[in-house]
Amino acid sequence: DGGITQSPKYLFRKEGQNVTLSCEQNLNHDAMYWYRQDPGQGLRLIYYSQIVNDFQKGDIAEGYSVSREKKESFPLTVTSAQKNPTAFYLCASSTQGGRYEQYFGPGTRLTVT
Amino acid sequence: EDQVTQSPEALRLQEGESSSLNCSYTVSGLRGLFWYRQDPGKGPEFLFTLYSAGEEKEKERLKATLTKKESFLHITAPKPEDSATYLCAVGGATNKLIFGTGTLLAVQP
Repeated sequence: DGGITQSPKYLFRKEGQNVTLSCEQNLNHDAMYWYRQDPGQGLRLIYYSQIVNDFQKGDIAEGYSVSREKKESFPLTVTSAQKNPTAFYLCASSTQGGRYEQYFGPGTRLTVT
Repeated sequence: EDQVTQSPEALRLQEGESSSLNCSYTVSGLRGLFWYRQDPGKGPEFLFTLYSAGEEKEKERLKATLTKKESFLHITAPKPEDSATYLCAVGGATNKLIFGTGTLLAVQP
């Protein structure tokens, strides 16, 4: 089955710790994206990558980092510099360009206390 | 600035009561308008892509339409299982999608 997997589904961390969220896709898509979703707000773009070994900052990149070493994988690290890390994080992938729909993973809910 | 506004924020319907959700947008060079369904605690599920004004797409009880300034998601004779948040997004000149905040639909039996 083709799709996007995110792990873990729930993640709990203490304040001051870095944490890495996993995202893997087997859709053979070139582009991958990370979004953050908070209650009452639309999806906000954190980082995106259009090709392996290249990525761009989205609208809210501060406190986050990514890597794209393989086409299938796009992990997101939430660093201790992120002031409000508790949120629902969504990974997506698509064929290149704003003309094509993005397909989403099931999400990871991160809680930092 | 590219922008997407969805209305209403929330909508409560009785089973079988048809209605429409609105998505108004401003974007430089529309490449695609996308509708998604999102259930609580899950990732958005892709429903439709519309590319040009006048285009329509249907899936079961849902029909999406597009004009130059807005899109409508029409829900005909909804059932309780149609309850979800419906998200609209537009793709413009960049490779990014701009999402609205969604419409929370509740269909009561």
